[in-house]
Amino acid sequence: QVQLQESGPGLVKPSQTLSLTCTVSGGSISSGDYYWSWIRQPPGKGLEWIGYIYYSGSTYYNPSLKSRVTISVDTSKNQFSLKLSSVTAADTAVYYCARALGYDFWSGPPDRWFDPWGQGTLVTVSS
Amino acid sequence: QSVLTQPPSASGTPGQRVTISCSGSSSNIGSNYVYWYQQLPGTAPKLLIYRNNQRPSGVPDRFSGSKSGTSASLAISGLRSEDEADYYCAAWDDSLFYVFGTGTKVTVL
Repeated sequence: QVQLQESGPGLVKPSQTLSLTCTVSGGSISSGDYYWSWIRQPPGKGLEWIGYIYYSGSTYYNPSLKSRVTISVDTSKNQFSLKLSSVTAADTAVYYCARALGYDFWSGPPDRWFDPWGQGTLVTVSS
Repeated sequence: QSVLTQPPSASGTPGQRVTISCSGSSSNIGSNYVYWYQQLPGTAPKLLIYRNNQRPSGVPDRFSGSKSGTSASLAISGLRSEDEADYYCAAWDDSLFYVFGTGTKVTVL
């Protein structure tokens, strides 16, 4: 049974870079069937998809965050990571990592959903 | 950035049927599958429905999903106290990003 666990600093200063890592256990991140995703949720608000990565390194990002986001993968450690630059208070949120499973079509958007999710980690942006 | 609109709240008494709507557009719900997630208080979201109306193993058949045009619905029949949670619809957009709904808080009276 695959499990995901987020880790990283809980406090980041404005204008700095937020960095988080997700460790996957119970399965290989190199499995060709899955993408590996980051999703966030500001306190008391809804969910926002940040982006995801394939084990080969192919990435897809939310256009609203694309200029500030980098998602990378380390297959040797069975981990993938998130970097979000130039953070502001608006980036304060619980950050979740999740496995994306489903199917990619030849063209257009995929048929993928997120399961399971990590427990989430709260990152606060404050000086 | 939510482009899928849900009612902020819904409620019912134990045993009742509750329906949550999710309204989108031709570029998301209108042309792609809909997914539903349940978020119990203080926990991470959990997949409830995929491909409009498919339940993962372990999800009770009290939960059902449907889609028509640019809207979708989640129905909870035989409402139970443990169903009290936030529910989010989601879909891919033709511009290749995933969008979540605004979320609906279900209260069991």
